[in-house]
Amino acid sequence: NAGVTQTPKFRILKIGQSMTLQCTQDMNHNYMYWYRQDPGMGLKLIYYSVGAGITDKGEVPNGYNVSRSTTEDFPLRLELAAPSQTSVYFCASSYSSTSYNEQFFGPGTRLTVL
Amino acid sequence: QQPVQSPQAVILREGEDAVINCSSSKALYSVHWYRQKHGEAPVFLMILLKGGEQKGHDKISASFNEKKQQSSLYLTASQLSYSGTYFCGTEWNSGAGSYQLTFGKGTKLSVIP
Repeated sequence: NAGVTQTPKFRILKIGQSMTLQCTQDMNHNYMYWYRQDPGMGLKLIYYSVGAGITDKGEVPNGYNVSRSTTEDFPLRLELAAPSQTSVYFCASSYSSTSYNEQFFGPGTRLTVL
Repeated sequence: QQPVQSPQAVILREGEDAVINCSSSKALYSVHWYRQKHGEAPVFLMILLKGGEQKGHDKISASFNEKKQQSSLYLTASQLSYSGTYFCGTEWNSGAGSYQLTFGKGTKLSVIP
């Protein structure tokens, strides 16, 4: 199993550009999450999904969109990139409810907006 | 609300012990602990559920006091491989049977020879 994979690993965007961060998991997990990590600030939840077709906002959703058409894939869309979106983005997945299940993290995408 | 971790950073010599604390103002369902090495993804260490149980593997253990809404991570006889940033994640009910984790800012642990 590859676990959780993310592409790209690095990306530089210009202000106002758009892009999609890809996330795929091969563990048949129902729950998937997108976090952003800024230096010294921990992980902030952007969006999450409890299954195909079901998504919900996390703590910091503004400027982002998600979709979940399959169990495996959970892409994150950035529209009109801003310097405040410079961060490391992690995708994660878990089998079921957080209470009893660890989250598996992908390797991350380092995004710089100039 | 983001849980508060303390200390923010700690430097240990190999073989020394450390305690990392995590406290929340919200009622908690569980506490998760993760370790992240520089430039890598966070890796799961353990989950503690309501009930005050103490868990551990190898020389890393943790406790969860739900009355005080606190958890502590204990690292015994530290090894160089323990270096990294430790995050606690506190779980709360976001509605409709769904739960979210809110992570603390992390504690940077450095183990030196």
